[in-house]
Amino acid sequence: QVQLVQSGAEMKKPGSSVKVSCKDSGGTFSGYTFYWVRQAPGQGLEWMGGIIPILGSANYAQNFQGRVTITADKSTTTVHMDLTSLRFEDTATYFCARGMGWNHPFEPWGQGTLVTVSS
Amino acid sequence: SYELTQPPSVSVSPGQTAIITCSGDKLGDKYVWWYQQKPGQSPVRVNYQNSKRPSGIPGRFSGSNSGNTATLTISGTQAVDEADYYCQAWDSSTTVFGTGTKVIVL
Repeated sequence: QVQLVQSGAEMKKPGSSVKVSCKDSGGTFSGYTFYWVRQAPGQGLEWMGGIIPILGSANYAQNFQGRVTITADKSTTTVHMDLTSLRFEDTATYFCARGMGWNHPFEPWGQGTLVTVSS
Repeated sequence: SYELTQPPSVSVSPGQTAIITCSGDKLGDKYVWWYQQKPGQSPVRVNYQNSKRPSGIPGRFSGSNSGNTATLTISGTQAVDEADYYCQAWDSSTTVFGTGTKVIVL
């Protein structure tokens, strides 16, 4: 069964950076696209960006351009999301998800990683 | 940027039909996916695009999409269906989620 396992919760200070990881335990890394979606407390889902590991190319939502970097490590079948210049409003649960690319759904999803930005 | 609008909440009695709408410009020209999210859990896809219903998706969930509105219908709603529901559509190389609808089973 395909599973995406994410790294643990993080507590960060404003202005710092956070790196969240997502391991594809199903071993079928290649040929898929991996995405990051965040959800602030009590709020909706917000797409951040995605990456095609076999190409190494990523694209990002306009709201996060310049602050987010998504990378993939084929050797460990792990996708990483780096978010810099953290603000209080970046406090959210960050989900990774897998898909087949454009027009395809996100399935499965990781369990989510809570990132709290607090001074 | 592309936007998808959903009603904040929909209330339904057990056994009745819940209808959740998702509105966006020329949405009928796009594929729309629907996700169910229960408190403290990750979203789960609940619709499909052709006649091949994947295992794990109950037959009471169905979707349609035309014009500017996509619809998720839950027939014979059960208490376990109480959750938040989000639509999703692709626009060029990006994707967007709807604002979300809380389904309340009374």
